[in-house]
Amino acid sequence: AQSVTQLDSHVSVSEGTPVLLRCNYSSSYSPSLFWYVQHPNKGLQLLLKYTSAATLVKGINGFEAEFKKSETSFHLTKPSAHMSDAAEYFCVAGGDDKIIFGKGTRLHILP
Amino acid sequence: NAGVTQTPKFQVLKTGQSMTLQCAQDMNHNSMYWYRQDPGMGLRLIYYSASEGTTDKGEVPNGYNVSRLNKREFSLRLESAAPSQTSVYFCASRTWGAGGPRDTQYFGPGTRLTVL
Repeated sequence: AQSVTQLDSHVSVSEGTPVLLRCNYSSSYSPSLFWYVQHPNKGLQLLLKYTSAATLVKGINGFEAEFKKSETSFHLTKPSAHMSDAAEYFCVAGGDDKIIFGKGTRLHILP
Repeated sequence: NAGVTQTPKFQVLKTGQSMTLQCAQDMNHNSMYWYRQDPGMGLRLIYYSASEGTTDKGEVPNGYNVSRLNKREFSLRLESAAPSQTSVYFCASRTWGAGGPRDTQYFGPGTRLTVL
């Protein structure tokens, strides 16, 4: 069965410091993997995706993620946090039919 | 090209009432999905349709039914609404299967449903 685990429900970082949001997946085969961001009372915005090409994926707003098959991980990083990054982030795995979301990580940015 | 559209945007129901949430996409996608979003739970898959004429249960199908009316439209029906179904509902469609370089989902704006 396919599943996605976001290891932290809340992460707090200071503005200008690195961001790390952790995601592990389980799947019987290599899924497509995605990160979405959702700002309060807004819809979902795609940050980046991995679809079996390069394992280091660059997305919008300076975010990137690395697919590590041996660790079944797809962690999201950003070198320097900005206040506008405060939002909820979802790691998502897409199998051949279903798309499964993690429970989300809320990112807080401290001034 | 409107993408994925959902109606209504907001709805308030009384316990026991029924309603249908409508979803349509104009991108010729085969796969469509219904999710509900609740605080701390992420988006949970209710039902999905891998192609026209097929539907399958997701993680939380109880209390819901779906119809894939044609390739464009995928509706979600609550036959007898309960307060536990108060949530934000998202419809999505998908371009491609797993691993395809064009694999992307497109989400509707959501329907905020309150059941009193």
